[in-house]
Amino acid sequence: KQEVTQIPAALSVPEGENLVLNCSFTDSAIYNLQWFRQDPGKGLTSLLLIQSSQREQTSGRLNASLDKSSGRSTLYIAASQPGDSATYLCASRMDSSYKLIFGSGTRLLVRP
Amino acid sequence: NAGVTQTPKFQVLKTGQSMTLQCAQDMNHEYMSWYRQDPGMGLRLIHYSVGAGITDQGEVPNGYNVSRSTTEDFPLRLLSAAPSQTSVYFCASSYVGTGRRLNYGYTFGSGTRLTVV
Repeated sequence: KQEVTQIPAALSVPEGENLVLNCSFTDSAIYNLQWFRQDPGKGLTSLLLIQSSQREQTSGRLNASLDKSSGRSTLYIAASQPGDSATYLCASRMDSSYKLIFGSGTRLLVRP
Repeated sequence: NAGVTQTPKFQVLKTGQSMTLQCAQDMNHEYMSWYRQDPGMGLRLIHYSVGAGITDQGEVPNGYNVSRSTTEDFPLRLLSAAPSQTSVYFCASSYVGTGRRLNYGYTFGSGTRLTVV
């Protein structure tokens, strides 16, 4: 059974800092991995999707990497801004299923 | 705008009442699913569907029913609400199959916040 873990659970950084959020998974037979952002009281917004055949994806200041062999994905945020404050969730889709398995999230606070 | 629409956004129920949470998508996605999100528990899959007329149970299906009569709609029914069903409910959809269609990933609705008293 796939388990997805996100560390740290919470992170507080000053504005302008580059930061890395971690996501690990126990079963490497993933089809893809998706990173989401969730603002308080809101829904999930898709940030980046990495297929199992890809190593990384980039969108603006965000870069997500995937290493299936080690069971890890990272989300890199460059030059963080207070508007980046939110909870970041990673979710894996397995080869044999359409279901998404979520991590518990990292709550990010970027201080002005 | 294209996407997943959930109604209502907020609902308060009394124990034992029934209600239906609505979910509709206009992206022609075959796959639709319902999650609940609880503090400390993360997002857990309730029910899902890979096409009209096909539904299956997820991780926490008890107390919930679903049906899929059209591609666009996937309502979630609470037959007899219990306080343990107080949660935020999210509907999500995606394409099925392989290849380029899955480059779009999953799309989520904005959620329904349900309180059962």
